[in-house]
Amino acid sequence: NAGVTQTPKFQVLKTGQSMTLQCAQDMNHNSMYWYRQDPGMGLRLIYYSASEGTTDKGEVPNGYNVSRLNKREFSLRLESAAPSQTSVYFCASRVGGGSEKLFFGSGTQLSVL
Amino acid sequence: AQSVTQPDIHITVSEGASLELRCNYSYGATPYLFWYVQSPGQGLQLLLKYFSGDTLVQGIKGFEAEFKRSQSSFNLRKPSVHWSDAAEYFCAVGARNAGNNRKLIWGLGTSLAVNP
Repeated sequence: NAGVTQTPKFQVLKTGQSMTLQCAQDMNHNSMYWYRQDPGMGLRLIYYSASEGTTDKGEVPNGYNVSRLNKREFSLRLESAAPSQTSVYFCASRVGGGSEKLFFGSGTQLSVL
Repeated sequence: AQSVTQPDIHITVSEGASLELRCNYSYGATPYLFWYVQSPGQGLQLLLKYFSGDTLVQGIKGFEAEFKRSQSSFNLRKPSVHWSDAAEYFCAVGARNAGNNRKLIWGLGTSLAVNP
């Protein structure tokens, strides 16, 4: 039972570099989310996808783009990384409809130098 | 504005002692309420949730929480803490945005340390 799988687990970037964080879930969930977690700021929603083919901005979308490639996969792209994007990134999914339970991946620790 | 407040940033308890983690929320309608736990280096895991009905809800790992509408609170409790309970605990409220898609509002978390 893989659940929600995120890759990579760790990444170091230089300012201005780009990268894509990958997320895949094998639970046939409709909704997927990208969060960032920073000390003293809790979890903040970057983007979400309520269902395949749709994406919407969350609280802190600037500097990020997302792609819901199919029902399983939801990627997060940093086009030009900045030190302010140093954070731990979590992907999550839920069935949707009336179910509120979120399933989280184990996170990606990103450092931008 | 919708918000979740966890007043205690950090709590230390002795193993075997009882635990209560506080959560207060501000929300315009009956909320959906959640407690999640995050062990070091891991993602978050759902402990329990309240949607409706019985205001005392039971969760995994021996945790329970009580919804008190009059106090806008959803405090998490455990009668006897184990060393493995050391983790970060997050309270969250389920909200509905204009697009009829629910998103969670998160508290900033309470870090629990357990002394042997």
